[in-house]
Amino acid sequence: SAVISQKPSRDICQRGTSLTIQCQVDSQVTMMFWYRQQPGQSLTLIATANQGSEATYESGFVIDKFPISRPNLTFSTLTVSNMSPEDSSIYLCSVTANEAKNIQYFGAGTRLSVL
Amino acid sequence: GDSVTQMEGPVTLSEEAFLTINCTYTATGYPSLFWYVQYPGEGLQLLLKATKADDKGSNKGFEATYRKETTSFHLEKGSVQVSDSAVYFCALSPRSNDYKLSFGAGTTVTVRA
Repeated sequence: SAVISQKPSRDICQRGTSLTIQCQVDSQVTMMFWYRQQPGQSLTLIATANQGSEATYESGFVIDKFPISRPNLTFSTLTVSNMSPEDSSIYLCSVTANEAKNIQYFGAGTRLSVL
Repeated sequence: GDSVTQMEGPVTLSEEAFLTINCTYTATGYPSLFWYVQYPGEGLQLLLKATKADDKGSNKGFEATYRKETTSFHLEKGSVQVSDSAVYFCALSPRSNDYKLSFGAGTTVTVRA
């Protein structure tokens, strides 16, 4: 298994500002993912972040709005840029298990509220 | 595209009742299927999985069988406890080398003492 730490756990931000969310894993992993969970809804994949390459974004998500860094095999950041109230969500990172790539482990999430 | 349709909630049960949450999927090829659980205030945890037809995943008294003929992966538990109160998500990973997860809408389950 993998232990994932996300920071911050929650934040309240003003419209037009940006927030960077950190995801730290206790072991080296190849694939990391960032999801958004809007209030009362399911998880939607934002992007896949692999070390050494540009993040791959899903339809409806763009790099200018959600820039991602993946500097090494244990760490990634997601920035939510120029925030609006519609960005209020829980943001989660996940990693594939080294023992079975079709299993993902999730962080506890970052609860973001934008005023 | 690949998708998961999950029984809508919320579901409220009494302790020791039988729980079923329906999940059907649409996918090309042979996806892997999962149930994840999200307890209040926590992140998602893998509950169980099945990677091929007729596989049965089980954990913590929960079971789900991968039914290719009905494209279903229904979650069941014979006797729920208050501690089973959570949101349950059905999910699929479409191909053996594509590890993205597509999630269902989630079902909120509340178990009363």
